[in-house]
Amino acid sequence: ETGVTQTPRHLVMGMTNKKSLKCEQHLGHNAMYWYKQSAKKPLELMFVYNFKEQTENNSVPSRFSPECPNSSHLFLHLHTLQPEDSALYLCASSQVQAAGSGSYEQYFGPGTRLTVT
Amino acid sequence: AQRVTQPEKLLSVFKGAPVELKCNYSYSGSPELFWYVQYSRQRLQLLLRHISRESIKGFTADLNKGETSFHLKKPFAQEEDSAMYYCALRGFQKLVFGTGTRLLVSP
Repeated sequence: ETGVTQTPRHLVMGMTNKKSLKCEQHLGHNAMYWYKQSAKKPLELMFVYNFKEQTENNSVPSRFSPECPNSSHLFLHLHTLQPEDSALYLCASSQVQAAGSGSYEQYFGPGTRLTVT
Repeated sequence: AQRVTQPEKLLSVFKGAPVELKCNYSYSGSPELFWYVQYSRQRLQLLLRHISRESIKGFTADLNKGETSFHLKKPFAQEEDSAMYYCALRGFQKLVFGTGTRLLVSP
């Protein structure tokens, strides 16, 4: 498998369930991102991890909990979600420099289509 | 503050017509800009970046620092160009995306 992969591709969950989204990048990158894509707000940055450390949390509700155990894997743990959380969740990766330079071209996964019932 | 503005949510043109998708940015430093594209049922992918000064699939984009713009242009639109287009600005260790413009090219 090459590039950025995400599992599952589709997920239906009730508001009381707990589930996790998984992202894996095979590009040797050191930064990973979670985005939410919905009809109301086409592309919202949720979390940024650089060198396995969370460097940005874009005012995301605590019912979304990210985890980055290593530079190749990123998880998004979900619990007690609301119907308005239904969306396409995209993972991306890029190669950044420690000093903040680098091209920052991001490679995206296919996304997980989440439906909260 | 870093901001990217794409004023048009939807742009509808006929095949063969010229296309211009607008992008304006706000950034105090030296900007680096990108255009990303998402075709139906495909993942979001890089279309072009201003530092490469390249033409991809007939599209070009010129950085205009005076007008703080990075508009995407194509002289003759094709039906296969129908997609969602996002303009993005390089911020500190991340990209700042605009809200996107959906391009519809009709036969």
